[in-house]
Amino acid sequence: KAGVTQTPRYLIKTRGQQVTLSCSPISGHRSVSWYQQTPGQGLQFLFEYFSETQRNKGNFPGRFSGRQFSNSRSEMNVSTLELGDSALYLCASSLNGVGNTEAFFGQGTRLTVV
Amino acid sequence: ELKVEQNPLFLSMQEGKNYTIYCNYSTTSDRLYWYRQDPGKSLESLFVLLSNGAVKQEGRLMASLDTKARLSTLHITAAVHDLSATYFCAPSSKETSGSRLTFGEGTQLTVNP
Repeated sequence: KAGVTQTPRYLIKTRGQQVTLSCSPISGHRSVSWYQQTPGQGLQFLFEYFSETQRNKGNFPGRFSGRQFSNSRSEMNVSTLELGDSALYLCASSLNGVGNTEAFFGQGTRLTVV
Repeated sequence: ELKVEQNPLFLSMQEGKNYTIYCNYSTTSDRLYWYRQDPGKSLESLFVLLSNGAVKQEGRLMASLDTKARLSTLHITAAVHDLSATYFCAPSSKETSGSRLTFGEGTQLTVNP
């Protein structure tokens, strides 16, 4: 059974650019959540998608956006990149995101903004 | 807003010793996860605790949950070097539907020979 796949694994971007990260959940999972991990702020929740709808949103500026497709794959987009956006971005896949469903994390995309 | 506090944040211990990591959280939660993270790697799920009094054990690790005290513990028995990693607890808030985990700061565990 394939795990959660995130692409690309590494990215280097320049300030002001935009970036799109992709997450393919475990087959059959319909909930995809995104997290940002930095040394200073730790792991912070960005948003969750379920059945192509954003179900939860964290406290991030509007430059951070996401979407989910009918096959449950999700993308997140960051526009007008800032140096502080450099982080490990993790996505988590779960069956439906409620009850006793477990969340499984992908390997992450390490974004460096220069 | 759910707040999570782990302690200690750094733990250096000798092989063979026992220790406990504590996770306190501020509001009602209906489930709590423990994750392990190795340097530069992703999060590996260790335990999912779903109810008050839940206890789960895997190898040298045992996790418990007291929802009334809003406290979870991760107990390490007879530590070995392979357990060196950062451990995170993450309750899920009952106030939101769906999946939204709030992570503690993490406990960086180093097990010395």
